[in-house]
Amino acid sequence: QKEVEQDPGPLSVPEGAIVSLNCTYSNSAFQYFMWYRQYSRKGPELLMYTYSSGNKEDGRFTAQVDKSSKYISLFIRDSQPSDSATYLCAMSAGNQFYFGTGTSLTVIP
Amino acid sequence: DGGITQSPKYLFRKEGQNVTLSCEQNLNHDAMYWYRQDPGQGLRLIYYSQIVNDFQKGDIAEGYSVSREKKESFPLTVTSAQKNPTAFYLCAGGIRGTQPQHFGDGTRLSIL
Repeated sequence: QKEVEQDPGPLSVPEGAIVSLNCTYSNSAFQYFMWYRQYSRKGPELLMYTYSSGNKEDGRFTAQVDKSSKYISLFIRDSQPSDSATYLCAMSAGNQFYFGTGTSLTVIP
Repeated sequence: DGGITQSPKYLFRKEGQNVTLSCEQNLNHDAMYWYRQDPGQGLRLIYYSQIVNDFQKGDIAEGYSVSREKKESFPLTVTSAQKNPTAFYLCAGGIRGTQPQHFGDGTRLSIL
């Protein structure tokens, strides 16, 4: 079983839709949870990070962590064509980082 | 402009040749990392360094080597022993520990 599981998609939504991206994990020692956005031929860009359980909001983006279910989510409100990218979840325990394989998102104008 | 700078953006390797990918940072991060990204496989850790003159192997270190002579620099050498080097290579930096990493824009390596 992989440490982190992420549905690869692809996910296609109309502009203005609410997008939900999710990851599950197996290691209860994970403490930091991150979401990265990666445009084609670019490096991942840190979008959000949270420590332990709870919600964190930043503009149109909301990150949720449910440690009891070992489940994290990223919500994008009022999605824009510029949100079209691959979204990677990541988690860390100690000095080890684990990444999901990424979900490809296309927002159609 | 602060950040992680990788060069070159594209690199071609001939059979039997070693090539070196550059990674420089001006964020004063202690930790630096090298990842390989292949389609459908996510990021796989090659090497990481928590401090100058020290580094550890990641999950797929065979066929790669690194050095960390300066805090700002963490070059990766892809040796001829790496039989499948075609991939997108990403360098990252972070505060030592579990804090999030920040990535460069990658080097795409291909075989001639």
